[in-house]
Amino acid sequence: QSVLTQPPSTSGTPGQRVTISCSGGISNIGSNTVNWYQQFPGTAPKLLLFNNNERPSGVPDRFSGSKSGTSASLVISGLQSDDEAEYHCAAWDDSLNGQVFGGGTKLSVL
Amino acid sequence: QLQLQDSGPGLVRPSETLSLTCTVSGGSISSSSYYWGWIRQPPGKGLEWIGSIYYSGSPYYNASLKSRVTISVDTSRSQFSLRLSSVTAADTAIYFCAREVIGATEGVYYFDYWGQGALVTVSS
Repeated sequence: QSVLTQPPSTSGTPGQRVTISCSGGISNIGSNTVNWYQQFPGTAPKLLLFNNNERPSGVPDRFSGSKSGTSASLVISGLQSDDEAEYHCAAWDDSLNGQVFGGGTKLSVL
Repeated sequence: QLQLQDSGPGLVRPSETLSLTCTVSGGSISSSSYYWGWIRQPPGKGLEWIGSIYYSGSPYYNASLKSRVTISVDTSRSQFSLRLSSVTAADTAIYFCAREVIGATEGVYYFDYWGQGALVTVSS
């Protein structure tokens, strides 16, 4: 059972805008910043967004994030077929004194 | 370009100790801006943070695993290691090592570089 809650799966068509939610609590998302990771099958996660909405070098601006209260969202605009992957949210948890993750959301591009 | 390479046995017997090592290249493990962490992912499941360590040797662990986990660092070899004792089938997972950024702003923590992962199966 993951500390952060994500929908197990979602889907979209090329060009569409897709939103993936991540729900937590006061001690994690409510108090700290949210990060998002993209993971393709058989590979390591890759940092997609950090500090709620900052993109590492090389990540397209089609990927954006937001946070409100104890929830966060990842938005993918102009969906492309190679965006098909699993997306994980994460944050520091002040009560657990460590990093916590969501269960991951598998994005299918139809 | 920073690279992390995790290595260790792929099969561990139940009740024994799992040991993995992560070798850091292309950058210094002794940088003051980072911790070095272990994260695992059971087959078909989400990610779970195991613990992290500073280059000077100050580890902190996931409370749910703390009684069984030891993370250590060897700066002379640019390596950090994970030991997980008394393993069961529930510990079967891909184990990733990663660099943990401690941001200048409070509350900013994230993993920016990851190893390729090592599948560890617990089975007799």
